Amino acid sequence: GESVGLHLPTLSVQEGDNSIINCAYSNSASDYFIWYKQESGKGPQFIIDIRSNMDKRQGQRVTVLLNKTVKHLSLQIAATQPGDSAVYFCAENINDYKLSFGAGTTVTVRA
Amino acid sequence: DADVTQTPRNRITKTGKRIMLECSQTKGHDRMYWYRQDPGLGLRLIYYSFDVKDINKGEISDGYSVSRQAQAKFSLSLESAIPNQTALYFCATGGVSGSYNEQFFGPGTRLTVL
Repeated sequence: GESVGLHLPTLSVQEGDNSIINCAYSNSASDYFIWYKQESGKGPQFIIDIRSNMDKRQGQRVTVLLNKTVKHLSLQIAATQPGDSAVYFCAENINDYKLSFGAGTTVTVRA
Repeated sequence: DADVTQTPRNRITKTGKRIMLECSQTKGHDRMYWYRQDPGLGLRLIYYSFDVKDINKGEISDGYSVSRQAQAKFSLSLESAIPNQTALYFCATGGVSGSYNEQFFGPGTRLTVL
């Protein structure tokens, strides 16, 4: 079946550096994508979203890039901070009001 | 997120027991979801509801049932718990006040079936 997946299960980043988290998806009909952040012991929290009619969207210290040609989604975090340590999930809207989640990337920020 | 609450937060039970997990929300959202999270597998959809009394199966509904008697509440039941249902369970809501399909998650319930 079609699914969303992340390229790497773990990412170690030096504090202050930029982080890039990647996600590949296979459903070409997906029209909406979300990045979630999950800290230890908490539920996933919304970071940023993007619709399929866009290539790029920026938030506070975060940027999401969407490449529909290769079905690739990425989350860039600028000037990574210790509080950015978490598991990051990409999710795609597979049909009306249902999301399909990737397995997640664990980001560890080194001091 | 205090707008979506789950009870209990932790539960240990034995094989064969019936378990109910509760979810309440104050967001006024129509859509509610139950997910299961296992290490390395992300979140998988168990059941979802778009309105009171509306129930829809997700990708892994076997062994689970749900009830949506009120807009603000969505409960998940395990009729006869088995060890491979040990997991982290999340409730989520979605509605017109959010983005296109942004979902808001509760803090989770850690369930252990012995």
